[in-house]
This record gives sequence, C-alpha cells and structure tokens, in this order.
Amino acid sequence: ETGVTQSPTHLIKTRGQQVTLRCSSQSGHNTVSWYQQALGQGPQFIFQYYREEENGRGNFPPRFSGLQFPNYSSELNVNALELDDSALYLCASRLGGAGGTQETQYFGPGTRLLVL
Amino acid sequence: DAKTTQPPSMDCAEGRAANLPCNHSTISGNEYVYWYRQIHSQGPQYIIHGLKNNETNEMASLIITEDRKSSTLILPHATLRDTAVYYCIVRVAKNYGQNFVFGPGTRLSVLP
Repeated sequence: ETGVTQSPTHLIKTRGQQVTLRCSSQSGHNTVSWYQQALGQGPQFIFQYYREEENGRGNFPPRFSGLQFPNYSSELNVNALELDDSALYLCASRLGGAGGTQETQYFGPGTRLLVL
Repeated sequence: DAKTTQPPSMDCAEGRAANLPCNHSTISGNEYVYWYRQIHSQGPQYIIHGLKNNETNEMASLIITEDRKSSTLILPHATLRDTAVYYCIVRVAKNYGQNFVFGPGTRLSVLP
C-alpha cells in the first residue's frame, strides 16, 4: 500500500459527457501527477500539480484539466469525453520542492474509465 | 519519447534470479535510473532507483554500468507474484513531470 488513494475505481460514461476523478496523496506529499494508461501501453504523463499550481503538462488537450486543494488532494477533469479517453487514469504523489528533488513518486491504484 | 529500451518480454523460472536489462545510452550525468513494476490492472509499484552506484533494497538490486549507459534490475529469487510489466525510466533530478516517461516495459513471466 502506497497511501495514495483514488476514486472511483471504475466509471462508465458516454461520449460528450464530463468526468471528475479524485486522488488523495500520501501523507506529507505536496506534489501530484496524473497519467493516462491506454490498454497495453505504458502510462503517459498528463500534468503535475505542486502547491495548488499546475507546473508541468504533457501532450494533452485543454479539455483535460485539474485542481489541487490545500490538503494536496487533487482532481482530474475531462470534458467532452471521446471514445479514445477510455483508459486507466493513475495518480502519483511525492514530496516536491522548488529546487528539484530526488524524492520517489508513488502511484495509486487507478481509476478505469470506459467511454461508450 | 522514452529514453530507455527494454526487451518486450522475458521468462524466468520460479526461485531463480530474474535479470532485467535496460539500455539508456543517452543518459545525462544528472539523470537517475528508476524501476517500477505494474501487476495486471494495478498502479505502478516503485522498486528501486540509482544514480551511479549499485543499489540494493528488500525487493531488488540495481546494477548500473560504469559508463551508465545500461543497467540491470535483479530479482534474486523470483516468485509467481513477481509476474508483471517492469518499467525502466530515466529522470533528470530537477523534476518529474514530462521528464518521467514510461516506455512499453518488459513483461516478465515467472514460470512454476
């Protein structure tokens, strides 16, 4: 167990709908990253939040957005869902710092999203 | 793109050592080598990481070549529960984010 939790575990949506996924980081961790993992592929980085600010983003369109709260928990929001958004969404947390860090990143169990 | 290359699959007999190779020929001096594994449909699990020196923990050993262009993850006594996809990742010390790139990994099958 990493202490990183995600909800819900599974979700089914239809094309065009919006979805919110949630992540609670490990105690003491102030940095949260989100990843998308399509079937049979490695996780792809979506974005990262540090102290409630987005400070890094992968190659994902603006309809993928996020939030981080003062308790460092985080949300991933996806608007206008497309069939290709069907994937395992992973959240990872670590202790970050402005000057960079070698702290280890720990992943949650993921939320499996199916878009019909 | 991932900065590492790994064999797509490997088999290992239960109880034997599993040696998983990773090539990272373009690694920079300030980049760490990380290993994670992912058991079917679960989140990736951290195994070990290193910069220059060999590292060992309760899960595995990491052997990094002197020129740092390749490394090997060693599971000393593989069990059936070690069957998973193993990812080798290089990361610059300054940040994770878009610098933490997963490749397709190596699918390790531990056979009884």
